[in-house]
Amino acid sequence: QVQLVESGGGVVQPGGSLRLSCAASGFIFSTYGIHWVRQAPGKGLEWVAFIRYDGSSKYYADSVKGRFTISRDNSKNTLYLQMNSLRAEDTAVYYCAKDQIRNGYNPDAFDIWGQGTMVTVSS
Amino acid sequence: DIQMTQSPSTLSASVGDRVTITCRASQSINSWLAWYQQKPGKAPNLLIYKASSLESGVPSRFSGSGSGTEFTLTISSLQPDDFATYYCQQYNTYSYTFGQGTKLEIK
Repeated sequence: QVQLVESGGGVVQPGGSLRLSCAASGFIFSTYGIHWVRQAPGKGLEWVAFIRYDGSSKYYADSVKGRFTISRDNSKNTLYLQMNSLRAEDTAVYYCAKDQIRNGYNPDAFDIWGQGTMVTVSS
Repeated sequence: DIQMTQSPSTLSASVGDRVTITCRASQSINSWLAWYQQKPGKAPNLLIYKASSLESGVPSRFSGSGSGTEFTLTISSLQPDDFATYYCQQYNTYSYTFGQGTKLEIK
């Protein structure tokens, strides 16, 4: 079935780095835009970043711009989030989520989400 | 950025009740609005897209309406499985924003 599985979370010190992965299965990964969305403990949802299906465009929330980098390897059906200069306020569950429409060139709703991976930034 | 404001933040209701959650955008988003349901410890689940289109597999007791800046999610007859937190989300621009959430509790 259609599935997204995140990995790579953990505990990291402020200023440190971490790379998250999101493995996709059950759909043609190379034809869908994919997002990272996070949720701090007890808080609401915050969109983090998006990459178009072919990697041609990337967008970031202001809160992570310049520190986080989204990328994808369509040959491995995998999405990545490289997180540098981490701060305490980056502590959250990080979800990957796919666009609803194939080969989209416009913003879209998120129809499939992974189970999330927890990132804790603490000394 | 477009701000999304949901009301109420918490809603207490009983099984069988009809409930409505409101979402307001700080500027027009046409009909580019989605609603998600989230249960504790789980990922969000898409219920409604393009303001009023029901996602496949979602029960018909869920419905959405609105356009421009005012939107509503209605559950026609609450079921025990519906007690959860609901979020609206705008996707009019590539700076997606979510509402702060509405927690639907059992009265």
